[in-house]
Amino acid sequence: GIQVEQSPPDLILQEGANSTLRCNFSDSVNNLQWFHQNPWGQLINLFYIPSGTKQNGRLSATTVATERYSLLYISSSQTTDSGVYFCAVEPSAGGTSYGKLTFGQGTILTVHP
Amino acid sequence: KAGVTQTPRYLIKTRGQQVTLSCSPISGHRSVSWYQQTPGQGLQFLFEYFSETQRNKGNFPGRFSGRQFSNSRSEMNVSTLELGDSALYLCASSLASGQITEAFFGQGTRLTVV
Repeated sequence: GIQVEQSPPDLILQEGANSTLRCNFSDSVNNLQWFHQNPWGQLINLFYIPSGTKQNGRLSATTVATERYSLLYISSSQTTDSGVYFCAVEPSAGGTSYGKLTFGQGTILTVHP
Repeated sequence: KAGVTQTPRYLIKTRGQQVTLSCSPISGHRSVSWYQQTPGQGLQFLFEYFSETQRNKGNFPGRFSGRQFSNSRSEMNVSTLELGDSALYLCASSLASGQITEAFFGQGTRLTVV
């Protein structure tokens, strides 16, 4: 099946710093999403971005589908940005992948005041 | 518009028991997927239902089962619970219309097996 690798596994920042999280995937995809998992476990949707670039406030994301990677940018980080960030993909291989997201192992972000 | 609702939020069960978890998708969404999250294995796909039919299944034993009702609500059942089934169980719904497959997750059910 498709492989998803996220880097770095851990990231420690001071408040106000910028960061880039990376997601590499091994096959073409129909769906790529970035999530932030809150302390209670819920996955919060950040971006639905199978290709192209999107921005939402201090966050932006870019997916280069032809090169099989996606980047999540966090600017002017705040302590509330702390948590785990997941990239998840649904391959475009067809029926057996339908409805199934494959997740990376996540990046644990800690932002210190 | 209400989000994905999972009940209960927390459960404690004894080994050997069975458990049923419920998921109500976003109104209009017909696809419901279930995932298990553990510290060791990360987030793993259990199964996906669309219009009351299971379309896809992950690599889990037969003790894990699910179903979807005509109103798109879904339940998953785990029989003969084992300690290793302790996990956060997450449900996701999506419109699954054409190429749009964005998934939205519920708050999860945290299951502890003792």
